Amino acid sequence: GAVVSQHPSRVICKSGTSVKIECRSLDFQATTMFWYRQFPKQSLMLMATSNEGSKATYEQGVEKDKFLINHASLTLSTLTVTSAHPEDSSFYICSAPPGQGFRDEKLFFGSGTQLSVL
Amino acid sequence: GQQVMQIPQYQHVQEGEDFTTYCNSSTTLSNIQWYKQRPGGHPVFLIQLVKSGEVKKQKRLTFQFGEAKKNSSLHITATQTTDVGTYFCAGPVGGYNKLIFGAGTRLAVHP
Repeated sequence: GAVVSQHPSRVICKSGTSVKIECRSLDFQATTMFWYRQFPKQSLMLMATSNEGSKATYEQGVEKDKFLINHASLTLSTLTVTSAHPEDSSFYICSAPPGQGFRDEKLFFGSGTQLSVL
Repeated sequence: GQQVMQIPQYQHVQEGEDFTTYCNSSTTLSNIQWYKQRPGGHPVFLIQLVKSGEVKKQKRLTFQFGEAKKNSSLHITATQTTDVGTYFCAGPVGGYNKLIFGAGTRLAVHP
């Protein structure tokens, strides 16, 4: 099956710093990548959709300048949490549809990044 | 906006007992998907249901899609400790593969 590699798996940073999270599709081309956020014991909330070569689409209530998304190639999408604050602490997870050749419309998820802002 | 509701939030069973989680959408869905997330892990795709009234089985797991394509259920027969995790239903909203997730049902299985 398709594999989405996400790094780092865990990051602890000081308030005010920026953190970059990378997601790579390893054996397929991901023209679209979805970024979700998950608080402990809660559901996945869609933050934004990144599209290769164009601007990301953000969900209502998600600050574009806070969460910078770049999808510069067909295999790499990045999420940068700028000037992180404790309330940004969360589990961030990317996902991508595997594209042609797969029977189901499904998402393959990265392993997630646990961000802790001190 | 479109909502996907899921109940119960939490279910605690003894090993060997059955388990069911229910999903309800505010709108008709073109398909519904189910995912499982183990503690500390990421969601893993289980199945997709597309047709009205569809029933699919995967070993001890039975998935149903309602006739109106607005509700779905996942039933696990004779739970095992390996079934522990959170089960999410998800429905497409807007673009292809853009999913909104239910709140999830966290299953705890005690031996």
